[in-house]
Amino acid sequence: DGGITQSPKYLFRKEGQNVTLSCEQNLNHDAMYWYRQDPGQGLRLIYYSQIVNDFQKGDIAEGYSVSREKKESFPLTVTSAQKNPTAFYLCASSQGSSSYNEQFFGPGTRLTVL
Amino acid sequence: AQSVTQLGSHVSVSEGALVLLRCNYSSSVPPYLFWYVQYPNQGLQLLLKYTSAATLVKGINGFEAEFKKSETSFHLTKPSAHMSDAAEYFCAVISDTGRRALTFGSGTRLQVQP
Repeated sequence: DGGITQSPKYLFRKEGQNVTLSCEQNLNHDAMYWYRQDPGQGLRLIYYSQIVNDFQKGDIAEGYSVSREKKESFPLTVTSAQKNPTAFYLCASSQGSSSYNEQFFGPGTRLTVL
Repeated sequence: AQSVTQLGSHVSVSEGALVLLRCNYSSSVPPYLFWYVQYPNQGLQLLLKYTSAATLVKGINGFEAEFKKSETSFHLTKPSAHMSDAAEYFCAVISDTGRRALTFGSGTRLQVQP
């Protein structure tokens, strides 16, 4: 089955640690996205990538980093510089560069800082 | 810049009653508009999208939305609510110029009372 997988489903981090969230898609989509979800704030864009080896900052990129070395993978690293990383993280992908193409979402990773 | 406002963070209806979830957008260029649904601790699923082909858009699960340019609105409706409709709903906007990534509203949680 085609889709987007995110791992792990739950992640716990100690303060000062970097953690990496995995996002993989087998839909052959060109574009991939990372969103952060907090209660009452909707989804906010962290980073996005329209093509392999290229990515752009979203609205809340500080304290996060990404890479796009392969078309199917777009991992997100939450660094120690991110002051309030506890949130639900969603990865998405879409076909091509047309804005009206649907974004497909993964099941999410819930990150908790201890 | 583009933005989305969803009026009402919580909406409660009785089973069988009309569902109306409000969405107003701001965009300096013709927008594409989306409604997504999210069940607890899951990713987002597309309900419907407006891409300028028709102003009345029909989606899955009996939902529909009407694009009204004069009111900059894209409200989501369903004639008769079902218990399974209880979820959080997000309106989102994107355009063909500038950033090719969705901007989301803050979401509306729909409760369906028996």
